[in-house]
Amino acid sequence: AQSVTQPDIHITVSEGASLELRCNYSYGATPYLFWYVQSPGQGLQLLLKYFSGDTLVQGIKGFEAEFKRSQSSFNLRKPSVHWSDAAEYFCAVGPYSGGGADGLTFGKGTHLIIQP
Amino acid sequence: KAGVTQTPRYLIKTRGQQVTLSCSPISGHRSVSWYQQTPGQGLQFLFEYFSETQRNKGNFPGRFSGRQFSNSRSEMNVSTLELGDSALYLCASSLEKRNNEQFFGPGTRLTVL
Repeated sequence: AQSVTQPDIHITVSEGASLELRCNYSYGATPYLFWYVQSPGQGLQLLLKYFSGDTLVQGIKGFEAEFKRSQSSFNLRKPSVHWSDAAEYFCAVGPYSGGGADGLTFGKGTHLIIQP
Repeated sequence: KAGVTQTPRYLIKTRGQQVTLSCSPISGHRSVSWYQQTPGQGLQFLFEYFSETQRNKGNFPGRFSGRQFSNSRSEMNVSTLELGDSALYLCASSLEKRNNEQFFGPGTRLTVL
């Protein structure tokens, strides 16, 4: 079964500093990988996705992520964070197409706090 | 184009009752998935519907059910509510199941007392 690990529950970053959120996955085939962001009281907004091809993907709001198959990682980065980036970030994989339950499998999320 | 809409946004029920939540997908989207989000378990997949057929189901008890109508709108039902069913229920739609890019609604916050 697939799984996603986001090792950092909370991360605090100063405004203007760079950001990297970690994501490791376990998957039986080539994964479809996603990063979503959730603001308080809101649904999930897709930041970026990786299906195939170039392993460095660009997303909205200045985010990018790099797929590293050898490390089973899909880390999210941003060169300079803004106070409005404070939110919960979720990495997700899937769906699994080999049978069994389907749908996206999410990590537990990383809560991003921006210090002024 | 309007996004995914969910109604109601907030619900308060008592144990033992049942509840129905509604989801209207983005126009043209035929796949609708439901997820439960709780602080303890995080985001968990409930089920997915495509062309009025449930094609996939997560690891939830039979008290959780759903359906999809011919216009792709979907409902999920939870019977015999338990305190642990308190959660944010998120609906997501996509053009087709294998597309995988799912667009999420704002969710319905269910509180069971």
